[in-house]
Amino acid sequence: EDQVTQSPEALRLQEGESSSLNCSYTVSGLRGLFWYRQDPGKGPEFLFTLYSAGEEKEKERLKATLTKKESFLHITAPKPEDSATYLCAVQGGSYNTDKLIFGTGTRLQVFP
Amino acid sequence: GAVVSQHPSWVICKSGTSVKIECRSLDFQATTMFWYRQFPKQSLMLMATSNEGSKATYEQGVEKDKFLINHASLTLSTLTVTSAHPEDSSFYICSASRTGSETQYFGPGTRLLVL
Repeated sequence: EDQVTQSPEALRLQEGESSSLNCSYTVSGLRGLFWYRQDPGKGPEFLFTLYSAGEEKEKERLKATLTKKESFLHITAPKPEDSATYLCAVQGGSYNTDKLIFGTGTRLQVFP
Repeated sequence: GAVVSQHPSWVICKSGTSVKIECRSLDFQATTMFWYRQFPKQSLMLMATSNEGSKATYEQGVEKDKFLINHASLTLSTLTVTSAHPEDSSFYICSASRTGSETQYFGPGTRLLVL
C-alpha cells in the first residue's frame, strides 16, 4: 500500500537551533516527492519537488534531500517566521495517477 | 507565477442550501485541478480530480451527486456542495497543475460553515 509517514508530529525549536524533519514513503514508481508549508487557515505553499534519489534543493534556510526511502527537510538557523506545518506528499504509486498522497505533517514552532 | 485563487474565502449557509466554490489559476493554464478537504489538525484528503472538458474522478467514499465539480475552462473549476449539512462544514482547498508538470499549486482555501 502506498504510504507517507512524517516525523516528528510536532517540533519546538529555539531560534537558531537547526533541525531536520523526516518523510518516509513506500510507493512503487515514485514520480515526485513534494514539500509544502501550510500556515493556519491557509492553503499549502509549494516549497520543493524532488524526483530522484540523491537530489537536493535549497531555498533560504530550507534544504530538501531525497533517498530511495525517505526525504529530509533540513532547517538551518530557523526564525520564528518559519513556524508552520510542513507537509510531505508523493506522486506515483500503484495506479500511477496524478494525485498526491500526503503525510500528516510536522507542526514546527520556533521560539525567539 | 503559479498563483491559484479561490472564492469565496469564507461562507456560512443554512442547512439544505447549496454552495458554490470557485477555483482559478491566475497566471497559467491548468489541465487538471484537484479538490481537497481538510478537518482541523488533519492532513489534506483528496475528494476528486477534475480534468478540463471531462467528468471529474471522485475518490472512494465521496458522493459525486453531493459534491458537483465542473471544469469548464483551463483556468476555472467549481465545486458545488449541494444540500449542505453541518457535517459538510470543513476547509475546502483546490490545487492546479500546469500542463505537463507534476507540481500542484494550492489555493488559499474556503472555510464552509453549515448551520
